[in-house]
Amino acid sequence: GESVGLHLPTLSVQEGDNSIINCAYSNSASDYFIWYKQESGKGPQFIIDIRSNMDKRQGQRVTVLLNKTVKHLSLQIAATQPGDSAVYFCAEMGSGYKLSFGAGTTVTVRA
Amino acid sequence: DAGITQSPRYKITETGRQVTLMCHQTWSHSYMFWYRQDLGHGLRLIYYSAAADITDKGEVPDGYVVSRSKTENFPLTLESATRSQTSVYFCASSGGEGTRSAPETQYFGPGTRLLVL
Repeated sequence: GESVGLHLPTLSVQEGDNSIINCAYSNSASDYFIWYKQESGKGPQFIIDIRSNMDKRQGQRVTVLLNKTVKHLSLQIAATQPGDSAVYFCAEMGSGYKLSFGAGTTVTVRA
Repeated sequence: DAGITQSPRYKITETGRQVTLMCHQTWSHSYMFWYRQDLGHGLRLIYYSAAADITDKGEVPDGYVVSRSKTENFPLTLESATRSQTSVYFCASSGGEGTRSAPETQYFGPGTRLLVL
């Protein structure tokens, strides 16, 4: 079946550096994608979203890039801070407003 | 601004007992969802609801029952708990069409950690 996946389960980054988290999706008909952040013991928190008619969208310190040609999604975090340490999930929208989630990438920020 | 809340936050029960997890949202969102989160499986959809009195199965519905008599509440019941239902359960909601935010964006509650002995 269709699935959403992340390229790497873990990412270690130096504080102040930029982080890039990647995600591959397989449903070429998906038209909406979301990135979530989940801190330990908490529920997933919405970070940023993007529709398929866009290639790039920026938020506060975060940028999402969408490459529909290769079905690839990425989340860039600028000037990574200790508070950015968390698990990051990408998700794609299917029918009935249902989301399919990838397994997640654990980001650890080194001081 | 309460948003979306879940209760209880932690629950220990025994195999065979019935357990109900509560979810309440204050946004009047049309859609509500129940997920379970297990190591190695990410978030998996159990049930969802498009509106009051409309529910449908997700990816892993077996052993669970839901109801939605009011828009703001979406309880999840484990009719006869099994050890394999030990998990963290998350409720989420989204506005659907006609809301100010993107209709598809799901907002999650804090989760219920359930241990079945």
